[in-house]
Amino acid sequence: DAGITQSPRHKVTETGTPVTLRCHQTENHRYMYWYRQDPGHGLRLIHYSYGVKDTDKGEVSDGYSVSRSKTEDFLLTLESATSSQTSVYFCAIKKGLAGYNEQFFGPGTRLTVL
Amino acid sequence: ELKVEQNPLFLSMQEGKNYTIYCNYSTTSDRLYWYRQDPGKSLESLFVLLSNGAVKQEGRLMASLDTKARLSTLHITAAVHDLSATYFCAVDTGYSGGGADGLTFGKGTHLIIQP
Repeated sequence: DAGITQSPRHKVTETGTPVTLRCHQTENHRYMYWYRQDPGHGLRLIHYSYGVKDTDKGEVSDGYSVSRSKTEDFLLTLESATSSQTSVYFCAIKKGLAGYNEQFFGPGTRLTVL
Repeated sequence: ELKVEQNPLFLSMQEGKNYTIYCNYSTTSDRLYWYRQDPGKSLESLFVLLSNGAVKQEGRLMASLDTKARLSTLHITAAVHDLSATYFCAVDTGYSGGGADGLTFGKGTHLIIQP
């Protein structure tokens, strides 16, 4: 258990509404990540953070924004949700060893956009 | 762009048999990770392979890495039903020079082990 929680765990929303997903960690790790998982695609990196207020884009960042105002929280926002953003979203942390990117994943959030 | 390809994507096998899952990637890297995912669950880290020739074993699973061939394998020995899951390999994107820090995953191998 890497001390990662995600909220909400399940959400159904409508197209065009804003949605914010939260990732919370209790172990003070510097690096945090957001991935989405879709059938036939494995996991794909959306955004990541390497410290408070330090974030960068991943492979599939369009339509998503992130914020990290505290070490323990990494927020993923869909400004205007679309049906193509229906997915399972996983947050992950890296335990900080240089050159070593083993990541540990939260329980996931299942998001459905109608 | 880094590509990670797993095969097979689906595998049904009988208990007691041996089999191998293959993970090919498209750029130089000596950082490769294997994960397991049970249905509806999160990902669990299985193996971390950090150099050419690395071999790790845990129970009936053994993972290896050949960086020259850009190939990792996950070998299952005398399969049991409890090993049924989806297995993912992942390559370190940032370390391979792909830019963003993070992991690039294969599409996963859905493994079903039948009695």
